[in-house]
Amino acid sequence: ETGVTQTPRHLVMGMTNKKSLKCEQHLGHNAMYWYKQSAKKPLELMFVYNFKEQTENNSVPSRFSPECPNSSHLFLHLHTLQPEDSALYLCASSRGEGAGELFFGEGSRLTVL
Amino acid sequence: AQTVTQSQPEMSVQEAETVTLSCTYDTSESNYYLFWYKQPPSRQMILVIRQEAYKQQNATENRFSVNFQKAAKSFSLKISDSQLGDTAMYFCAFMKLQAGTALIFGKGTTLSVSS
Repeated sequence: ETGVTQTPRHLVMGMTNKKSLKCEQHLGHNAMYWYKQSAKKPLELMFVYNFKEQTENNSVPSRFSPECPNSSHLFLHLHTLQPEDSALYLCASSRGEGAGELFFGEGSRLTVL
Repeated sequence: AQTVTQSQPEMSVQEAETVTLSCTYDTSESNYYLFWYKQPPSRQMILVIRQEAYKQQNATENRFSVNFQKAAKSFSLKISDSQLGDTAMYFCAFMKLQAGTALIFGKGTTLSVSS
């Protein structure tokens, strides 16, 4: 069982669809993160949760809605997305913010048609 | 705001050779972490090596070592005896040692190792 698991691995959706990305960590960490990885751009931090509380929203459009029901699970709810939102979405966890390295999942590849 | 710059978009090396990937960063912080992450094609991003800024000694992990120059804000990664499995995108990343921060990444360097 890998430390950070993301599902689905691939997702294709239309601009009017509603879907969700799921992340689960089995490392006993307290902080979880969503990053967006697009070609030719640095990884962009989207959201940070520390002990289930959102501590950072990096000016992300409201069509992305995160949810962290507990320290082990993180969701990214998607609705009314644009084609430019197509990217690899990476989930990560760490012991706590500013407390050392992040451990990443394999990512969810999102394509918006 | 902190920034991380990787000036080499792509690099190539042959097996058994040594290669150095460059990274510079900008910060006003005195205490922080620096990391190198590796992302193989279509695979998970994994930590290669980390350096605490308060430590003068350069970190080493087997064939991977860093040259940390704090005053110059430089953090390069040296890969010795390159192997085909080292083919990946390498990201340099910065993290402050305080709550409310996450990793800040450079754009990455794609390293290709050939036989």
